[in-house]
Amino acid sequence: DTAVSQTPKYLVTQMGNDKSIKCEQNLGHDTMYWYKQDSKKFLKIMFSYNNKELIINETVPNRFSPKSPDKAHLNLHINSLELGDSAVYFCASSQRATGGRTDTQYFGPGTRLTVL
Amino acid sequence: QQQVKQSPQSLIVQKGGIPIINCAYENTAFDYFPWYQQFPGKGPALLIAIRPDVSEKKEGRFTISFNKSAKQFSLHIMDSQPGDSATYFCAAPPDDNNNDMRFGAGTRLTVKP
Repeated sequence: DTAVSQTPKYLVTQMGNDKSIKCEQNLGHDTMYWYKQDSKKFLKIMFSYNNKELIINETVPNRFSPKSPDKAHLNLHINSLELGDSAVYFCASSQRATGGRTDTQYFGPGTRLTVL
Repeated sequence: QQQVKQSPQSLIVQKGGIPIINCAYENTAFDYFPWYQQFPGKGPALLIAIRPDVSEKKEGRFTISFNKSAKQFSLHIMDSQPGDSATYFCAAPPDDNNNDMRFGAGTRLTVKP
């Protein structure tokens, strides 16, 4: 069984379009994340949700909007796509702890977004 | 955004060599120091992690060394194999005021046959 799944795996679209990426985890975790990985492999955190509540929102353009309908799902909607949005987007989940303790993050297979 | 210092950026070794990748952290209250491994076309996956109550942890050919006074932890790969060629990431909180993990910039390891 796939622990963290993302759809679609590939997304090719034109500048200015709006697109969504879906993520689901069946691990029973409380926390989910979105990361952007650029061509240099740098993993930049974008958002984190804990039990459907936004807890991390890094400096990300307003065109990116996460939505968590329940704690097993975290979707990413991107408006007015730009060339610089081309990257691989990873969803991840973990059993978040507190007080300086954290836990393993489990990553999905990634969605390769290409904006033409 | 990147505030977790990982080095080197890339590393090429011969089969059987011992590549060493280093990571520096700031948050002294943190208690979980992981290394993730990512193969091309795949998501990162946990390779090995250490809690700071020990100075070293081994899992197979992979060893984490933890230096609390220097606020550094390192990944050593013994008897490296071509199949170890991947990108390796450490993760740690970026500063003392933040318990959320951030990933280092990654080290692209190539093990030549």
